[in-house]
Amino acid sequence: GAVVSQHPSRVICKSGTSVKIECRSLDFQATTMFWYRQFPKKSLMLMATSNEGSKATYEQGVEKDKFLINHASLTLSTLTVTSAHPEDSSFYICSARDSKGGTDTQYFGPGTRLTVL
Amino acid sequence: DQQVKQNSPSLSVQEGRISILNCDYTNSMFDYFLWYKKYPAEGPTFLISISSIKDKNEDGRFTVFLNKSAKHLSLHIVPSQPGDSAVYFCAASKGSNYKLTFGKGTLLTVNP
Repeated sequence: GAVVSQHPSRVICKSGTSVKIECRSLDFQATTMFWYRQFPKKSLMLMATSNEGSKATYEQGVEKDKFLINHASLTLSTLTVTSAHPEDSSFYICSARDSKGGTDTQYFGPGTRLTVL
Repeated sequence: DQQVKQNSPSLSVQEGRISILNCDYTNSMFDYFLWYKKYPAEGPTFLISISSIKDKNEDGRFTVFLNKSAKHLSLHIVPSQPGDSAVYFCAASKGSNYKLTFGKGTLLTVNP
């Protein structure tokens, strides 16, 4: 299947700082990428849909000013957690939509573990 | 309102036997369904998908069955292997809206 990478895999930061997470589709172009958050023992919760060249669409309850998303190219989307607080600590996962070859499947990155002290 | 439900939080199966993972959905607009496998602290890995125009899709040891009238799908793994032990998520999407709605997952344990 298609490969999606995320960087960094884990990050620890102080409260009040901003953290940027990168999501890259390595062997395909993705016009649409998605950002998820997973709490312990919970399902994946969609945060926002990232469309190349346009503004991201945020799910209800997700603060767009806190979670900045940029999808500057067909292979890269970034999520910036601004002014991070301990409650932002979570596992963040991106996915990229591959719509070629007659299928329409989202492939996920390996995730980023964010810990805010 | 949970639109995709996986009512069994866990399932334990003997190696070589069949594993059957179930998923129910409430939104009749869903028309594309996927199964993902996930290990702790990793992103989900795509396994298999099915469109609502089909009732069965097979890929190696994995078969997904879709019963639209019952709004139910299942993933069959035959034969089960210890390496299949993971959390399995069912996901659904509708039309041109590619957003996935996930179930809460089922932890599958395959015992040697």
